[in-house]
Amino acid sequence: EPEVTQTPSHQVTQMGQEVILRCVPISNHLYFYWYRQILGQKVEFLVSFYNNEISEKSEIFDDQFSVERPDGSNFTLKIRSTKLEDSAMYFCASIWGGGGNNEQFFGPGTRLTVL
Amino acid sequence: DQQVKQNSPSLSVQEGRISILNCDYTNSMFDYFLWYKKYPAEGPTFLISISSIKDKNEDGRFTVFLNKSAKHLSLHIVPSQPGDSAVYFCAASANRDDKIIFGKGTRLHILP
Repeated sequence: EPEVTQTPSHQVTQMGQEVILRCVPISNHLYFYWYRQILGQKVEFLVSFYNNEISEKSEIFDDQFSVERPDGSNFTLKIRSTKLEDSAMYFCASIWGGGGNNEQFFGPGTRLTVL
Repeated sequence: DQQVKQNSPSLSVQEGRISILNCDYTNSMFDYFLWYKKYPAEGPTFLISISSIKDKNEDGRFTVFLNKSAKHLSLHIVPSQPGDSAVYFCAASANRDDKIIFGKGTRLHILP
C-alpha cells in the first residue's frame, strides 16, 4: 500500500541552525501539507501546498519557515533559524484531491529537537 | 481557540465491549469530519470519515455518528479489541482538501 515517507526520523540541532525536513508524498497525490505536534499538545496545521505554491498557511508559519517541492517527488519544510520552541514532531501529509473519499494520509513524522 | 473539542483525555473500556469517543465542534463551516488513530512515535492513521450531508457512516467495527444541530460527533468501536488501544483524534475541515483541524485527542485503553 502506498505511504507517505519522511526523513530523518529524528533531527537534533542547535538553536539558530537551519534544518530541512523531507517528505515523499504518495505519488499521485496533488495536495501536500505540513503539521506539527508539540509534546503534549494537539496536532496543528502549518501549511498547505498545491500546484507548486502555498495555498494556505497558519500563524505559526512565519518568515522562518518555507516549503518547496524541488523535483516532483520530494516535499520539504525548511526552518531557517531554529528556536527552542520549534522542538516538535513534524508530520507531512498528502491527499489526492480528485474527489471521492479524500483523506489526508500522514507520514510517520520527524522529531525535531532544538538544543 | 478550540474549534474541535475532545473533552475526555482518556477512556478505559473492557475488551469486547463498545468504546464510544465523543467530539464537539464550534465552526459551522466544517463540512467534513474525520477520526484518526495514533500510536506513539507514528503519524496519525486515518480511520473513518463522514460528510456533513450524512448522519452515520460505518466501516467494519467502526461507526461515526454526526449530529449537525448539536455540532457533535462520536466514534463507536464494537467490539473493542486490545489493538484498539491508542490515541484517537477527532478532526474537521471545511472541505475535503482543506487543512484539518484536530482535537486534543482521547487516549483509549482496552482492558483485558
